[in-house]
Amino acid sequence: EVQLVESGGGLVQPGRSLKLSCAASGFTFSNYYMAWVRQAPKKGLEWVATISTSGSRTYYPDSVKGRFTISRDNAKSSLYLQMNSLKSEDTATYYCARHNIGTTLFDYWGQGVMVTVSS
Amino acid sequence: DIQMTQSPSSLPASLGERVTISCRASQGISNNLNWYQQKPDGTIKPLIYYTSNLQSGVPSRFSGSGSGTDYSLTISSLEPEDFAMYYCQQDASFPLTFGSGTKLEIK
Repeated sequence: EVQLVESGGGLVQPGRSLKLSCAASGFTFSNYYMAWVRQAPKKGLEWVATISTSGSRTYYPDSVKGRFTISRDNAKSSLYLQMNSLKSEDTATYYCARHNIGTTLFDYWGQGVMVTVSS
Repeated sequence: DIQMTQSPSSLPASLGERVTISCRASQGISNNLNWYQQKPDGTIKPLIYYTSNLQSGVPSRFSGSGSGTDYSLTISSLEPEDFAMYYCQQDASFPLTFGSGTKLEIK
């Protein structure tokens, strides 16, 4: 059974940093592109980052480019999101998601972890 | 960036009813359109990929269609577990973008 379990969320002050983790199991992690998607309170879904199987390629929307860094450790079947210079508008539930092979469909999602940026 | 306009934002409906949710892209996306369901507890699962392909395990009452810039998700006969949020998503190009969502609620 595919499982994605996020951790590392919490309350952080504006301008500070936070690192999220996602522990994957039930599939061969190194074979899949992985991603982070977020959802602000009572808002829709927003794609945040995608990383290739080896980690050599990463993709971001302009809203987080230069502030967020996605990375992975295939030996540990883990995905990460380093978030720097956090803003109040980064407050959201962050979901770890798996891309289906050969596509950018998100075929499995974690339960999400809440990040609150507030002073 | 490709903008996705989803309608309606809210859809009251009854059990057994047939409903359709629409999604329009700001430019052609060549059928690279996916649909997701989000339950009130936050659980998200894919329903349809590449416009009309049913994800494994999804009931056949769900179907998708469309081309060019206009796409739709149809549920042929609503079951109690179908009342949830629905999102479209284009994966024709980065940045990947979602529609604003449709809340399917009991009338």
